[in-house]
Amino acid sequence: NAGVMQNPRHLVRRRGQEARLRCSPMKGHSHVYWYRQLPEEGLKFMVYLQKENIIDESGMPKERFSAEFPKEGPSILRIQQVVRGDSAAYFCASSPDTRINSPLHFGNGTRLTVT
Amino acid sequence: QQQVKQSPQSLIVQKGGIPIINCAYENTAFDYFPWYQQFPGKGPALLIAIRPDVSEKKEGRFTISFNKSAKQFSLHIMDSQPGDSATYFCAASAQTGANNLFFGTGTRLTVIP
Repeated sequence: NAGVMQNPRHLVRRRGQEARLRCSPMKGHSHVYWYRQLPEEGLKFMVYLQKENIIDESGMPKERFSAEFPKEGPSILRIQQVVRGDSAAYFCASSPDTRINSPLHFGNGTRLTVT
Repeated sequence: QQQVKQSPQSLIVQKGGIPIINCAYENTAFDYFPWYQQFPGKGPALLIAIRPDVSEKKEGRFTISFNKSAKQFSLHIMDSQPGDSATYFCAASAQTGANNLFFGTGTRLTVIP
């Protein structure tokens, strides 16, 4: 009963490096969402993807951040030239469809630390 | 700006007490209101959810009360247990086809044995 799998669990990067966060949705789920959680804050929506398509990226910073969900393989959240302010927990969630009562299932997150 | 406002930020109750967490929203397009429970080092897990066509929903020891006219909803935990100690997030979304949730800032609940 594999849930949403995220890796790595912890990622340390120096300023200016690239961070790649991976998310494998639950089996049968074709919708993926990325959220960012800063300490003592709630989760902030970043991007919503279906296979090979970005549906809503209204919460994604315009620069340095990108996301993809290829036909094969996991969804990737990519952060280029990381800065200290990017340090946060990044959570991926998946759902089978977009019906209003289709709950989001979250992974355990990737904790990014930028030194 | 914060689409969903949540209070209190933290809450400490004795075992058996009834902690109450409150949330308020402004966007009248919101029509789905879930609560998530998050333990340290874990992702949020759906606890209970409500639609605005009902004023109350119970699942086990957890109850959501919903006041559509006031645009407020709250979570009550009956007979709270130390194992309920976690951070609780309210959230809201609109049936726009996107399903993306707007979360409150969280309430850290501690239940003292």
